Amino acid sequence: EDKVVQSPLSLVVHEGDTVTLNCSYEVTNFRSLLWYKQEKKAPTFLFMLTSSGIEKKSGRLSSILDKKELFSILNITATQTGDSAVYLCAVIYGNKLVFGAGTILRVKS
Amino acid sequence: GAVVSQHPSWVICKSGTSVKIECRSLDFQATTMFWYRQFPKQSLMLMATSNEGSKATYEQGVEKDKFLINHASLTLSTLTVTSAHPEDSSFYICSAPLAGSTDTQYFGPGTRLTVL
Repeated sequence: EDKVVQSPLSLVVHEGDTVTLNCSYEVTNFRSLLWYKQEKKAPTFLFMLTSSGIEKKSGRLSSILDKKELFSILNITATQTGDSAVYLCAVIYGNKLVFGAGTILRVKS
Repeated sequence: GAVVSQHPSWVICKSGTSVKIECRSLDFQATTMFWYRQFPKQSLMLMATSNEGSKATYEQGVEKDKFLINHASLTLSTLTVTSAHPEDSSFYICSAPLAGSTDTQYFGPGTRLTVL
C-alpha cells in the first residue's frame, strides 16, 4: 500500500535550535513531494521538490529530496517561537496527493 | 501568491440538514480543485477531485451521494454535505493548483463544520 511517513511525530525545542524533519514515502509513479506548514487553519505552501539532491531554501528553511532512498528532509535553523506548527509532507503520484500524518513542532522561548 | 477562498469559514447545523461549502480561486483559474477533510490531530485526507465541466472523482470510501461536488466554473467548486450527521463534523479544506504548475497546491482557509 502506498504511504507517506513523517518523523518524528512531535518535537519540542528551544529558540535558536536547529531541527530536521523527515518524510519517507513508498509510492508508484512519484511526481513530486511538497512541504506545508499548518498553524490554525489551512496549510501554507513551503516547498515543492521533484529532483534529487537539489536543495530548496527560503530564509531559515531548507529542504532536499533523495529519490533513491525515497525520503526528504526539512531543516529549520535558528528556530523561533513562530515556527511552532504542524509540518506536513505530501507526495503527488499519478493523479493523487497523499499527506503524511505531520510533525508537531513546538519551539519554546 | 495565488489565493483560494472558502465560504463559510465555520458552520453549525442540525443533524439531517445539508450544508454547502464554496471554494473559489480568486486570482487564477482552476480546472481542477481538491477537497480534503481533516479530523482533529490528524492529517488531511483527500476526499475527491473536482473537475470543471465534468463529474468529480471520489476517493475510495467517500460516498458521492453524501458529498456532492459541483465545479460550475473555472473559479468555483462547491461541496455539499447532504443529510449531515455528527460524524461529518470536521475541518473541510479545498485546494487548487496553479495552471501550468499542477503540483503546487494552494489551500483555502478551510471550513469548520459542526453538526449537532
